[in-house]
Amino acid sequence: SQTIHQWPATLVQPVGSPLSLECTVEGTSNPNLYWYRQAAGRGLQLLFYSVGIGQISSEVPQNLSASRPQDRQFILSSKKLLLSDSGFYLCAWSWGRSGARNEQYFGPGTRLTVT
Amino acid sequence: QQPVQSPQAVILREGEDAVINCSSSKALYSVHWYRQKHGEAPVFLMILLKGGEQKGHEKISASFNEKKQQSSLYLTASQLSYSGTYFCGTGVGAGSYQLTFGKGTKLSVIP
Repeated sequence: SQTIHQWPATLVQPVGSPLSLECTVEGTSNPNLYWYRQAAGRGLQLLFYSVGIGQISSEVPQNLSASRPQDRQFILSSKKLLLSDSGFYLCAWSWGRSGARNEQYFGPGTRLTVT
Repeated sequence: QQPVQSPQAVILREGEDAVINCSSSKALYSVHWYRQKHGEAPVFLMILLKGGEQKGHEKISASFNEKKQQSSLYLTASQLSYSGTYFCGTGVGAGSYQLTFGKGTKLSVIP
């Protein structure tokens, strides 16, 4: 069976500090990987998605970046955090060639508070 | 553009039924439904695809009107475990990877 991990579970960081969130998937190969952000009381905002190693598509221009150094590893980074970066960050994966056709499975999430 | 969900919130007693709607201004290829409990990750419920294909939860039903770009999720004989926030996510093409999610519908089931 497939499992998706995210860490850390919670994080409190000061404004201007760097960020690194990690996501790994087990039990599958060549998954599509996604980073979402969820602000309090709002829906899921797609930040990045990746269909393969080193292939990153950005949906929202901002001070965040993503990387996929290995097939089942997805990293979300920032050089300098802003207050507006606070939120619940979710990693997800899906099968196949189409994210619109296949269900997405979400990790447990990282709750980030920027102070 | 973000799909619009209605209602924003609903309170049910156990055993009652509910309908949650999702409407888009764009032509859709797929509609996904997820449920999220407070502080947890969203959980997949159902996908409806253009052309009538569906896959997902056995105890939950949904419809997809392609012409109207609308989908509805039907929750019948609600249980306490149905409480949570329901999100629809829309996909606009068979080859696309992105889903655009609505703001969610908060469902509370009380005894």
